Amino acid sequence: SQTIHQWPATLVQPVGSPLSLECTVEGTSNPNLYWYRQAAGRGLQLLFYSVGIGQISSEVPQNLSASRPQDRQFILSSKKLLLSDSGFYLCAWSGLINEQFFGPGTRLTVL
Amino acid sequence: KQEVTQIPAALSVPEGENLVLNCSFTDSAIYNLQWFRQDPGKGLTSLLLIQSSQREQTSGRLNASLDKSSGRSTLYIAASQPGDSATYLCAVTGSGGSNYKLTFGKGTLLTVNP
Repeated sequence: SQTIHQWPATLVQPVGSPLSLECTVEGTSNPNLYWYRQAAGRGLQLLFYSVGIGQISSEVPQNLSASRPQDRQFILSSKKLLLSDSGFYLCAWSGLINEQFFGPGTRLTVL
Repeated sequence: KQEVTQIPAALSVPEGENLVLNCSFTDSAIYNLQWFRQDPGKGLTSLLLIQSSQREQTSGRLNASLDKSSGRSTLYIAASQPGDSATYLCAVTGSGGSNYKLTFGKGTLLTVNP
C-alpha cells in the first residue's frame, strides 16, 4: 500500500530564516506530487505540483519554491521566511485517476 | 474560475442521526469530485471519489452523490457516531488541462454528540 510522509511535523522559525520541508511517498512510482497550504479561515490553496523529476509548476507567485530531486521526493523551500508564510503545509500525491492522498502535514509558525 | 461552496459551515447532531452535507460548484466541467475528512491538526483523509461519469459512490455508512449539470454533490452519513466528528471538505478537479488541480470548499465542521 502507499504511504506519504512529511517532516518535520511542526516548525517554529524566525522571520528571514530559510525553510526546507520534505515529503516522500512509498509504494507507488511516478506519482503526481502537490504542495498545499492551509491558512486559518482561507481554506486549502495549491502552491506547486509536479508530474515528474525536475518538473515543477507554480500556482501562485510567492516567497516559496519547490523541487523534486527524486521520483518520490518533493521539497518545499524558502530562502527568507515571511510572517505570512505561517500555516499548515500539506503534501499530496495522485495516480492515474487523479484521486489525491494527503500526508500528515507540517505546522509552520513564523515569528 | 471554479468556486466551491459548502453548506452548512457547521452542524451539530445527536448520535444516531442521519445527516447530509452539501457541496456546490460553479463550473460543471469537472473531472472528478472528492470528499475528505480532516481531524483537528491532521492531514486530509480521502473518503470518496466520484468521477465525472458517475452519479454516486458508497463506502460503509457514507454515500456521496454527484449532479454535474446542477453543480451539486451531497455526502450522506447514516447512523452518525461521535467518531464522525471532524471537518468534511469537498473538492473538485477541472477537466482538460487542469484535471490535476483540486479546488476546495471551506468545509463543514460536524459535531456528533453522544
